[in-house]
Amino acid sequence: TAGITQAPTSQILAAGRSMTLRCTQDMRHNAMYWYRQDLGLGLRLIHYSNTAGTTGKGEVPDGYSVSRANTDDFPLTLASAVPSQTSVYFCASRSSGTDTQYFGPGTRLTVL
Amino acid sequence: RKEVEQDPGPFNVPEGATVAFNCTYSNSASQSFFWYRQDCRKEPKLLMSVYSSGNEDGRFTAQLNRASQYISLLIRDSKLSDSATYLCVGSNNNDMRFGAGTRLTVKP
Repeated sequence: TAGITQAPTSQILAAGRSMTLRCTQDMRHNAMYWYRQDLGLGLRLIHYSNTAGTTGKGEVPDGYSVSRANTDDFPLTLASAVPSQTSVYFCASRSSGTDTQYFGPGTRLTVL
Repeated sequence: RKEVEQDPGPFNVPEGATVAFNCTYSNSASQSFFWYRQDCRKEPKLLMSVYSSGNEDGRFTAQLNRASQYISLLIRDSKLSDSATYLCVGSNNNDMRFGAGTRLTVKP
């Protein structure tokens, strides 16, 4: 069972460039999330989606955008990357009726 | 100030020891609480949910005190494989707030 996959595993990106982090789940979960994890700050929610076609802002949404065209995919886009967006990015999903979130393996992004 | 606060540790304990982690949360609207485990350079994985009545899963016991806005995790008979970072989480619908984590190292 694949669960949640993320791509790429890691990336070095020049400041000012755009990039899309991909997230795909095969569990038919309605809700999906994007977090960033930074040392000493823990995981912080960037954006979420309760169901296909809807998205919402989390704790730290600035500089990021998301879309949810279907149930399985929830890409995160950085339109113009800045060094402060260097982080580990985790995608997660949750089935309706439960509180448990399942996380993908993460994408390590370095913006230079 | 973070909404969920944890002692970052590190906690270094010998095998077989009992260790307790504490966590406080500031949002009284938080409805659900969890402990996640995260191994180095891996994704967080759910360890257990936390209920007001307390719950136990093998060597792990979690407690919630809503009046004090306090959550705890007790690990008995520590194993080497328990070495990880433990994340405390408070949730209000879609808004999950994570603590920065408590690092545990169990030594032979």
